[in-house]
Amino acid sequence: DTGVSQDPRHKITKRGQNVTFRCDPISEHNRLYWYRQTLGQGPEFLTYFQNEAQLEKSRLLSDRFSAERPKGSFSTLEIQRTEQGDSAMYLCASSPPAGTGYTFGSGTRLTVV
Amino acid sequence: AQTVTQSQPEMSVQEAETVTLSCTYDTSESDYYLFWYKQPPSRQMILVIRQEAYKQQNATENRFSVNFQKAAKSFSLKISDSQLGDAAMYFCAPHTNSGYALNFGKGTSLLVTP
Repeated sequence: DTGVSQDPRHKITKRGQNVTFRCDPISEHNRLYWYRQTLGQGPEFLTYFQNEAQLEKSRLLSDRFSAERPKGSFSTLEIQRTEQGDSAMYLCASSPPAGTGYTFGSGTRLTVV
Repeated sequence: AQTVTQSQPEMSVQEAETVTLSCTYDTSESDYYLFWYKQPPSRQMILVIRQEAYKQQNATENRFSVNFQKAAKSFSLKISDSQLGDAAMYFCAPHTNSGYALNFGKGTSLLVTP
């Protein structure tokens, strides 16, 4: 296993377009997390999956954001009608049961122009 | 909601010297975990060290160690024999059993000078 993979690494999109990001976690990790990080800040939690169930969503996750994890494997994060304020690094992480720490992917950098 | 405070936005250390990064947090729970993560420029975040709150012994990982003061809710990271490769943003993150997410501080940018 090569760790947590995220695709694409970079995405530039025009305001108003929809974008979708993919995360492939470590195969034996049943927990998957999405975070957003802006320059000079720590990561902010967006949402959490345990297997295929989305168990927690941050209030940061507006109705333009949706995440899925079909079959409890890879996950997708979609942003509809992107806005300039959505420009950020979107990080995915996975973990086994709580307490062991996360393994992060390299992130997807989104730029909305 | 938990709050995490990293009061040092930037720190600088000379190679081979020791530096301590501070972190305080707020939680009402007694059982939780604490983590320090490192994020080098334009690279992914990696776990440096973890501490279980029920353990009194401070965690150590090679040159990295923590000073965990549970009553004071303080969790500092000490880096000994600093190396150029230690230059990065360092984030403190507590994780309680009742919550799913790690809550990150704003980070401390560590500069290592030759």
